[in-house]
Amino acid sequence: DQQVKQNSPSLSVQEGRISILNCDYTNSMFDYFLWYKKYPAEGPTFLISISSIKDKNEDGRFTVFLNKSAKHLSLHIVPSQPGDSAVYFCAASALGLIQGAQKLVFGQGTRLTINP
Amino acid sequence: DAMVIQNPRYQVTQFGKPVTLSCSQTLNHNVMYWYQQKSSQAPKLLFHYYDKDFNNEADTPDNFQSRRPNTSFCFLDIRSPGLGDAAMYLCATSRRHGRFNQPQHFGDGTRLSIL
Repeated sequence: DQQVKQNSPSLSVQEGRISILNCDYTNSMFDYFLWYKKYPAEGPTFLISISSIKDKNEDGRFTVFLNKSAKHLSLHIVPSQPGDSAVYFCAASALGLIQGAQKLVFGQGTRLTINP
Repeated sequence: DAMVIQNPRYQVTQFGKPVTLSCSQTLNHNVMYWYQQKSSQAPKLLFHYYDKDFNNEADTPDNFQSRRPNTSFCFLDIRSPGLGDAAMYLCATSRRHGRFNQPQHFGDGTRLSIL
């Protein structure tokens, strides 16, 4: 049972345009969400996060939107640059239930390609 | 720079021959994680250490074990690797302080091949 789903395995966007990556989750206990970026032959790198008490978090060109009623979040990249070409993973955690360490459930990833 | 280092980057072992993957960190994080990632799939948490406390995921095979001799190092031991264990293994660290969790920092992974 996949609790976090990224239904688009790949996305191609022209440089300068907006990239929108989507993620859906099924577990209503998730209250903290993250996006990671992964280049080939490297580990995932943290990009941006959002707590369930917010519906938007912005960091430079990156904005994450959370729609709790739809159990959906999205990552917007504006404007898209060639260096943004990578695999993007959505991840979720149920911090409120955790007495110990944070445990992440990842989606399968979306490969973003920015075309010049 | 503070970082998470995994050695080796590529490991080839024979079917059934024990193998150990290594992870070290200079971040002084109190939590260390091991994930398994198969091709085009999501990283899957195998287990983690919160300080010295070991936490195994319910569906992690008994074939997989871990050791954390000190804060900086964590090892993944695969006792009898099968062909299905061929994957990328990712180590990650984070700091838990009270209810606050920092985002996890990942190493670059070890790609394990089974002959």
